Amino acid sequence: SAVISQKPSRDICQRGTSLTIQCQVDSQVTMMFWYRQQPGQSLTLIATANQGSEATYESGFVIDKFPISRPNLTFSTLTVSNMSPEDSSIYLCSVEGSGTEAFFGQGTRLTVV
Amino acid sequence: KQEVTQIPAALSVPEGENLVLNCSFTDSAIYNLQWFRQDPGKGLTSLLLIQSSQREQTSGRLNASLDKSSGRSTLYIAASQPGDSATYLCAVDAGGTSYGKLTFGQGTILTVHP
Repeated sequence: SAVISQKPSRDICQRGTSLTIQCQVDSQVTMMFWYRQQPGQSLTLIATANQGSEATYESGFVIDKFPISRPNLTFSTLTVSNMSPEDSSIYLCSVEGSGTEAFFGQGTRLTVV
Repeated sequence: KQEVTQIPAALSVPEGENLVLNCSFTDSAIYNLQWFRQDPGKGLTSLLLIQSSQREQTSGRLNASLDKSSGRSTLYIAASQPGDSATYLCAVDAGGTSYGKLTFGQGTILTVHP
């Protein structure tokens, strides 16, 4: 299994500002994934972050809005830029453990006011 | 494009009942299927992972089955307890170039009454 630590666990931010979310894994992993869960909705994949290359974004998500860093095999950040109330969601990072099982962090609950 | 549907959307049962949660997916070419539990405002806890070549997996009171050809999976919970109250999500991994990318259903909100 993999243990994932996400920071912050929650935040309330002013519109127009940016928030950077950190994801730390207790083992080296090739791929890390960032998901968004809007209120009352299921999870939607934002992007895949591989160490040493640019993140790959899913349809509807762009780098200018959600820049991602992946400086090493145990750490990644997701920034939510120029926030609006529509960005209020839970943001989760995920990794693939051995046996292809996916593990998730506890999530970051973001409220934009 | 893969679509995942979960039925029912919500379920309320008395403690001790056995129950079944359903998950269907439109593209049978999956790599694996995983069931998760999510408590309110929290992250996801992995419950069971079924590889595409497997028919079922069991962990304690939980049993998950997979019928890939018909695009269906079920999660069976035996002797339900109030602590089982949570949202249950199924997710499929298509593998290949999409390896590791999960497509989620909308979830089943389970409430178990004492």
